[in-house]
Amino acid sequence: IAGITQAPTSQILAAGRRMTLRCTQDMRHNAMYWYRQDLGLGLRLIHYSNTAGTTGKGEVPDGYSVSRANTDDFPLTLASAVPSQTSVYFCASSVDPGAGNNEQFFGPGTRLTVL
Amino acid sequence: DQQVKQNSPSLSVQEGRISILNCDYTNSMFDYFLWYKKYPAEGPTFLISISSIKDKNEDGRFTVFLNKSAKHLSLHIVPSQPGDSAVYFCAAVSASKIIFGSGTRLSIRP
Repeated sequence: IAGITQAPTSQILAAGRRMTLRCTQDMRHNAMYWYRQDLGLGLRLIHYSNTAGTTGKGEVPDGYSVSRANTDDFPLTLASAVPSQTSVYFCASSVDPGAGNNEQFFGPGTRLTVL
Repeated sequence: DQQVKQNSPSLSVQEGRISILNCDYTNSMFDYFLWYKKYPAEGPTFLISISSIKDKNEDGRFTVFLNKSAKHLSLHIVPSQPGDSAVYFCAAVSASKIIFGSGTRLSIRP
């Protein structure tokens, strides 16, 4: 693994189903983030984790949950998917959220379609 | 209310000329401003940043200008190359939280 990876690459999901998007980084970064990208709205923060064992809510957290059991993994779960959650999801990480410009490194994204 | 705005959804520039991407913000407490570049089917990648205490930062063909009084920043790319065709996101950082603009799609034409 090099950098930050996400799985699956894409998924079509029936409304009401549960889905977990996976994210793994091997850079030993403290902070991790989940964003969704929608046309005309840019990147909106869903949830974040400043360090293993802690999580926080971003701008659009409703319908999503996260966990941070260790430094490397930060899964995002949709408990009961709805069509408005159709989006491209990006996971990102940064060395330290309080350090300088908080440069974030992004994964390749997961394209999720909820029907 | 969007705190970081990119009012131009798209921009077309001839190869070799200067590309200027603009970004406006509303919160005077932002510490840093960043630009990210995104190609289709890839995640955004960091391009250049500027601290709020500076008004210019240059890195090769890329220069970011910050006008704090106008709450405006811009990214200049000169000369523009075909590989610069991408979506560019402006972002601002305050208290370790980052907020992204909606992006500008830059197309470099021959």
